[in-house]
Amino acid sequence: AQTVTQSQPEMSVQEAETVTLSCTYDTSESDYYLFWYKQPPSRQMILVIRQEAYKQQNATENRFSVNFQKAAKSFSLKISDSQLGDAAMYFCACLTNAGGTSYGKLTFGQGTILTVHP
Amino acid sequence: KAGVTQTPRYLIKTRGQQVTLSCSPISGHRSVSWYQQTPGQGLQFLFEYFSETQRNKGNFPGRFSGRQFSNSRSEMNVSTLELGDSALYLCASSLVGFDGYTFGSGTRLTVV
Repeated sequence: AQTVTQSQPEMSVQEAETVTLSCTYDTSESDYYLFWYKQPPSRQMILVIRQEAYKQQNATENRFSVNFQKAAKSFSLKISDSQLGDAAMYFCACLTNAGGTSYGKLTFGQGTILTVHP
Repeated sequence: KAGVTQTPRYLIKTRGQQVTLSCSPISGHRSVSWYQQTPGQGLQFLFEYFSETQRNKGNFPGRFSGRQFSNSRSEMNVSTLELGDSALYLCASSLVGFDGYTFGSGTRLTVV
């Protein structure tokens, strides 16, 4: 079984500043993928960034980057040059090949509410 | 390219009734997963379908069921509704799974 923990229920940042959201996970699988999703008030979950566990290089998508520490099972999200539109609930998630059947089950953390101040 | 479409967006049902929610995945996506989101329990996995076969199932009672059609559209059904079933139900689709899932806007179910 997988567990994902986000220890920061809420975070805030000033517009144009940088913020880091924390996530730790636990899985016994050697093959897995990690994701950050954003859920604005419109409630649609939006994929922000994806990391393949077998890749040491940290994923980057424009202003979003991750710090993937495999040994520590840590997967933090850094948002640079924060914008008002970044305000949302952010979820960290882990996807494994559950028992060899499929990559069909995402395990989510509890979420972090990000507030961006103008 | 159309996204994941869930219908209806809102639903109000009475305890004891049953409900069917619909999800149309992105064209070409064969994997469809369902999640229940509540303030107390967060996001919980219900089940996943691929090519009309259920491949994974979460820890939900048998009142929760689903199916997938040959065109990859999926439905989930909840019978004998309870107040605790009030939640946002999210559907997500993917090509192969590990490429990432695209979510719909969800169906907000309220049981009264």
